[in-house]
Amino acid sequence: SQTIHQWPATLVQPVGSPLSLECTVEGTSNPNLYWYRQAAGRGLQLLFYSVGIGQISSEVPQNLSASRPQDRQFILSSKKLLLSDSGFYLCAWSGDSRQETQYFGPGTRLLVL
Amino acid sequence: KQEVTQIPAALSVPEGENLVLNCSFTDSAIYNLQWFRQDPGKGLTSLLLIQSSQREQTSGRLNASLDKSSGRSTLYIAASQPGDSATYLCAVRGSQGNLIFGKGTKLSVKP
Repeated sequence: SQTIHQWPATLVQPVGSPLSLECTVEGTSNPNLYWYRQAAGRGLQLLFYSVGIGQISSEVPQNLSASRPQDRQFILSSKKLLLSDSGFYLCAWSGDSRQETQYFGPGTRLLVL
Repeated sequence: KQEVTQIPAALSVPEGENLVLNCSFTDSAIYNLQWFRQDPGKGLTSLLLIQSSQREQTSGRLNASLDKSSGRSTLYIAASQPGDSATYLCAVRGSQGNLIFGKGTKLSVKP
């Protein structure tokens, strides 16, 4: 069966510090991968998605970036965090059919102080 | 630009009641619609997926309907239980494969 992991579960970082969140998927190959952010009072917002290694599409301009160094690994990064980067970050995967569901990881709660 | 709205934002009901959660979307050109459940501080769990060609899906006490032409979906929960307390999210899948979410309905079922 497929599983999706995210770490860390919780992170408290000062403004201006770098960020690296990791997401890995097991039990499937060539998944579509997604990063979402859920901020207080706002809905889930798609940040990045990837249909293959090294292929990243950005939905929202920001100071975050994403990379996919391996087929089942998706990394969300920032060189300098802003207060507005605080939120709950969710990684998800799906098959390559547009009719398939997306499966979400447990999330990382990021607090920037 | 696709927008998804969920009404009500919050709902509190006594245990045993049947209830309906509403979701509306502005662009009817969707591939599918999903209902998710999110417990506090947790990730999302998929409840029901309705393809654009379908009108409803059922799983246990849950029934979701889709009226694509009018841009509406409902999630019906029968005989609600305290364990149903969570935030319920509606999402539509657009042409690029990404999901566009509503802000959710926070449900509280009182024993």
